[in-house]
Amino acid sequence: AQSVTQPDIHITVSEGASLELRCNYSYGATPYLFWYVQSPGQGLQLLLKYFSGDTLVQGIKGFEAEFKRSQSSFNLRKPSVHWSDAAEYFCAVGADDYKLSFGAGTTVTVRA
Amino acid sequence: NAGVTQTPKFQVLKTGQSMTLQCAQDMNHEYMSWYRQDPGMGLRLIHYSVGAGITDQGEVPNGYNVSRSTTEDFPLRLLSAAPSQTSVYFCASSRTSGRGEQYFGPGTRLTVT
Repeated sequence: AQSVTQPDIHITVSEGASLELRCNYSYGATPYLFWYVQSPGQGLQLLLKYFSGDTLVQGIKGFEAEFKRSQSSFNLRKPSVHWSDAAEYFCAVGADDYKLSFGAGTTVTVRA
Repeated sequence: NAGVTQTPKFQVLKTGQSMTLQCAQDMNHEYMSWYRQDPGMGLRLIHYSVGAGITDQGEVPNGYNVSRSTTEDFPLRLLSAAPSQTSVYFCASSRTSGRGEQYFGPGTRLTVT
């Protein structure tokens, strides 16, 4: 079975600074990897996904993620954070058995 | 196109009561699932369905029942509510299997006293 670890529970970043959120996965085969964002009181929205091919994936809202097979990682980055990026971010791994496994999430606080 | 809808948004139950959380999608997705979200634990899969008439258990199925009589609807039943079921519940749908983008509903916040 697949699993996901997000080592950082909470990150505080200044507006305009860069952001990197870590994600490590465990899965025996080629994983399907996702990053979702959840704003307060809302459902989850897909930021980006990786299935195969180019290991650097571009998503919405200026986010990107890099798949590193050797490190079993799929870290999310944004060069310059906006106050509206304050939210909770979830990394997830999917498989052909229809199940999606989520990490515990990282809460991002943006300070002015 | 409403996407994935869930009702109610909030619910308070007493221990032992039963209720059904409703979920509907209008995207003709075959795959639907229910998750619960608890602080520090992310989302955990309760039950899922790969099509009408087909359901299966996820990671935390105990105390919950599902059925899928139509493509559009996937209700989640709490048989006898317990305080441990206090959580936020999300329904999601996807066009394909685990590789597909899942579209989430707005959630139902359930409190069991």
